[in-house]
Amino acid sequence: AQSVTQPDIHITVSEGASLELRCNYSYGATPYLFWYVQSPGQGLQLLLKYFSGDTLVQGIKGFEAEFKRSQSSFNLRKPSVHWSDAAEYFCAVGAPNTNAGKSTFGDGTTLTVKP
Amino acid sequence: EAGVVQSPRYKIIEKKQPVAFWCNPISGHNTLYWYRQNLGQGPELLIRYENEEAVDDSQLPKDRFSAERLKGVDSTLKIQPAELGDSAVYLCASSPRTGVGYGYTFGSGTRLTVV
Repeated sequence: AQSVTQPDIHITVSEGASLELRCNYSYGATPYLFWYVQSPGQGLQLLLKYFSGDTLVQGIKGFEAEFKRSQSSFNLRKPSVHWSDAAEYFCAVGAPNTNAGKSTFGDGTTLTVKP
Repeated sequence: EAGVVQSPRYKIIEKKQPVAFWCNPISGHNTLYWYRQNLGQGPELLIRYENEEAVDDSQLPKDRFSAERLKGVDSTLKIQPAELGDSAVYLCASSPRTGVGYGYTFGSGTRLTVV
């Protein structure tokens, strides 16, 4: 069965500082990997996704993530955080099978941005 | 294009009462998902529809939960009777077709509080 672990429940960074959110997954092969962001009272918005190929993927809002097969990780990064990035971030894994539409989500990391 | 629309945004009910949530997916999206998000956790799949057919409802507590997607467009999720543990955010998502590779578009969710 697929699973996702986000080790950090809460992270606080200063505005302008760099950010890295950790994500580890469990899956028998190379899965599809996603990062979503959820602002208070809103649904989840897709930031970026990895299917195959280049292990460094670029997303919206200046975010990027790197797939590391040897570490079963898909960490999210941003070089300079803005106050508007404060939100909850979810990593998700999905099976690359066209008959399976289910994604499994981690429990999220809450990002606080200090002025 | 309009996104995934859910209503109501908030609902407070007493335990043992019935409640229903409504979802209108993005036009042309054949696949519709209902997820439940408990406080401090990531979303968990309840049911997935392909057009009007429920193709994955293994996580739906069928003794009290029911769902329908008439004509393969709008969907309704019902709980009867509600229990205190049902308090959560209920998220609807849609995608063009089955397969996590197509990505989801989430609605803003319905926050249910059972008292």
